[in-house]
Amino acid sequence: QVTLRESGPALVKPTQTLTLTCTFSGFSLSTSGMCVSWIRQPPGKALEWLARIDWDDDTYYSTSLKTRLTISKDTSKNQVVLTMTNMDPVDTATYYCARTRPGYSADYWGQGTLVTVSS
Amino acid sequence: EIVLTQSPGTLSLSPGERATLSCRASQSVSSSYLAWYQQKPGQAPRLLIYGASSRATGIPDRFSGSGSGTDFTLTISRLEPEDFAVYYCQQYGSSPYTFGQGTKLDIK
Repeated sequence: QVTLRESGPALVKPTQTLTLTCTFSGFSLSTSGMCVSWIRQPPGKALEWLARIDWDDDTYYSTSLKTRLTISKDTSKNQVVLTMTNMDPVDTATYYCARTRPGYSADYWGQGTLVTVSS
Repeated sequence: EIVLTQSPGTLSLSPGERATLSCRASQSVSSSYLAWYQQKPGQAPRLLIYGASSRATGIPDRFSGSGSGTDFTLTISRLEPEDFAVYYCQQYGSSPYTFGQGTKLDIK
């Protein structure tokens, strides 16, 4: 069965770089058509799409955040890593990773990890 | 970038009633790549509908999606108590793959 789990620091300081890892099972990112996306949700607010990486190493980013985001994958470890630089309190949110397939969108989600940005 | 506008912001209905949620795109959504998600408090979103009208695995048939181009609708034919939640649309036809701001469906 497909599962995803996000991991990373619960608290980061302003200006620091956030590194989040999505560890998944039940599918392979080397399989044609498989992708992993990152989405975040500030407390009480809407979902915001951040980035996606595809089986063929194509990457896609949010327009407003693309200068701060990097998404990468380690196929052998079944992991996808998202880094976000220059963190600010407005980046406080629950960060989700999700399996994504073109044509099907995000069909499996992790439980999310809350990241708080505060000094 | 495609902007998705959901309406209404909040919908108050009773169990057994029919719910109609709207999602309007600022430009045409490629290949009708429009999805609907349900989110309950403290939970991750759950995929309901993909490709504008296809139900995801395990989704009851009281949920249906329709539309194309720039106008899309999620319909819940007869509301069950567990359907009261927040619903989001997302377009995944062209990057960046944006979400709408959500519609909260609450019990009247």
